[in-house]
Formats: sequence, C-alpha cells, structure tokens
Amino acid sequence: QKEVEQNSGPLSVPEGAIASLNCTYSDRGSQSFFWYRQYSGKSPELIMSIYSNGDKEDGRFTAQLNKASQYVSLLIRDSQPSDSATYLCAFTGNQFYFGTGTSLTVIP
Amino acid sequence: DAGVIQSPRHEVTEMGQEVTLRCKPISGHNSLFWYRQTMMRGLELLIYFNNNVPIDDSGMPEDRFSAKMPNASFSTLKIQPSEPRDSAVYFCASRPRRGSNSPLHFGNGTRLTVT
Repeated sequence: QKEVEQNSGPLSVPEGAIASLNCTYSDRGSQSFFWYRQYSGKSPELIMSIYSNGDKEDGRFTAQLNKASQYVSLLIRDSQPSDSATYLCAFTGNQFYFGTGTSLTVIP
Repeated sequence: DAGVIQSPRHEVTEMGQEVTLRCKPISGHNSLFWYRQTMMRGLELLIYFNNNVPIDDSGMPEDRFSAKMPNASFSTLKIQPSEPRDSAVYFCASRPRRGSNSPLHFGNGTRLTVT
C-alpha cells in the first residue's frame, strides 16, 4: 500500500467554482500535513499546512484534516485560472511523503 | 533569506558522462532531501540527510547514483555513468530539523537531459 493516495485527476472546474482535492495516508502516527502547488516547469511551493483535526482557512484555501479517517483535503473557493496547477499532498512520518499529485484546470 | 539554491538549472549531457548536481540548503536547515521528478513516476525521494549524515538512501536507483553532504551548506548528487533514463528534473529541498512540523522548501530544480 502506498503511503499517500491521491486522485491524479485531471480535475476541471469552471472559474468561480469550488475545487476539491483529496488525499488519504497510511501512517496513523503522522502529525504534519501539507499541500503544495506546482506550476508546470516550476518547483513545488507550500500553500497550506495543517496539524490538528478540523479545518484551517487561508484566504480562498481551506485544508481539512480527519486523522481518524486518515484523510486530508484542500478546498479552493472562487477558483481562478491562475489556480491551474498540480497539487501535491504531503505528510511527515519517518521521512517526508508526497502523493502523486492532482492536476487542476480552471476553465475561464 | 535566500531559498534553496540549485545548480545548474539545466544540464544536457551524453550517455556515459558524469553529471554532478549541486545544492545549497537554506541557512540553519539541517535536513536536506534530494528528489527526482518525471511524468511517469512523479516525485521520488532519492536520499535525505540529517546533520550532514545520510539517513535513508533506499530511493537511490542504483550504484551509478551517489550523494554527499560534506558540510551543512552544500550537497552534491552525482550520476556516473549517466543514462538516457536518468533524464528528469532533480529537486533539492531542506527543512529546519528532522521530526519537526516544518515543511520542505524546494530549490528551483535541475532539468537533466541525457542523450
């Protein structure tokens, strides 16, 4: 079983809609969870971190963590074409684990 | 503060040649990671260091790959001899300390093409 399972997409949403990205992980002892955004040809950049159960909001982004279900999600409200990128979820265990990424396209 | 610095940005070489990729982590970060990214396999961890000591190199594909971290501010990833299947983007990333809640900070990557 992979450490991180992420829907590879691609996911397409119209501009202004909510984009929902999901991720499950295998290590129940994990404490730290992250969402990275990667534009084509660029390096991954951190957009959200979450450490406790519940929701964490930052502007148009909301990260949700459910440790009992080993599930973390990212909601992007009022999606913009500039949000079109690949989104990688990650968590820490013995090392730093990344999902395979979900490709998001926001259609103007 | 400068971010993670990688060089070169692009490397084109012929099969069989030696390739050396370089990384300078963020000052004060004592965990350093090397990743390889391809369309087919995504982001793969090759090796990571903590306090200049290699902790896990199980991701290194084969003996042609080697990595060193002679001091806290410099690391190299060497491929000798290089093969076309090594073509990928190689990222270096660092974080403040192992076991912390801190995220990884990535360099801009080195795009390697082996012909």
